[in-house]
Amino acid sequence: SFVLTQPPSVSVAPGKTATITCEADNIGGQTVHWYQQRPGQAPVLVIYYDTDRPSGIPERFSGSNSVNAATLTISRVEVEDEADYYCQVWNANNNHRIFGGGTKLTVL
Amino acid sequence: EVVLVESGGGVAKPGKTLRLSCAASGFKFDDYAMHWVRQAPGKGLEWVSSINWIGDKTVYADSVKGRFTVSRDNLKNSLHLQITSLRSEDTALYFCVKDWGGSVTAASVFDFWGQGTLVSVSS
Repeated sequence: SFVLTQPPSVSVAPGKTATITCEADNIGGQTVHWYQQRPGQAPVLVIYYDTDRPSGIPERFSGSNSVNAATLTISRVEVEDEADYYCQVWNANNNHRIFGGGTKLTVL
Repeated sequence: EVVLVESGGGVAKPGKTLRLSCAASGFKFDDYAMHWVRQAPGKGLEWVSSINWIGDKTVYADSVKGRFTVSRDNLKNSLHLQITSLRSEDTALYFCVKDWGGSVTAASVFDFWGQGTLVSVSS
């Protein structure tokens, strides 16, 4: 089965850049979406189709996807960015949707 | 404004049946696929099931196949999930999620989420 691997936690100081990875064999051949989940809230889509931002999501959020890792980058991190982040893909072999295990972003 | 409101959760004993519902508004419900995603306490997101725009194609995670049934009523703008033979591992917050497209045999983008309904399975 297709497994997406994320680091359990990432820490960053305010104003710095946070990088969250999502690894799988040949993930570059998939389209990857990213969701932000603040404590006690429902997830929110922040990046879709590897690099696109929904309306209302700050330009500080960007995504990329290459070979064996997709990346969510948050520039000029703010305290409000502290949340869990999940990557997600669609498995064309069985039409299952797959989430990574999630990464807890801590803003120091 | 897209609004998804889940209901039907609660405390239930192992082996029993629960039916979750999701009331949708703010968009043309019968144009879009819908999904259920769950989150066990303190754990990550787990996709559970999907249904296409017309309701004639469904997909299930292996962990729930045979026990869960997803359905929709496009006249009432509602989505449902019947959970039978409840297990302790079904304890989770269940989210109703809108897709940005109508198919379940294509890549999904979960563009809007409800706040969830909590299912707790305990004897």
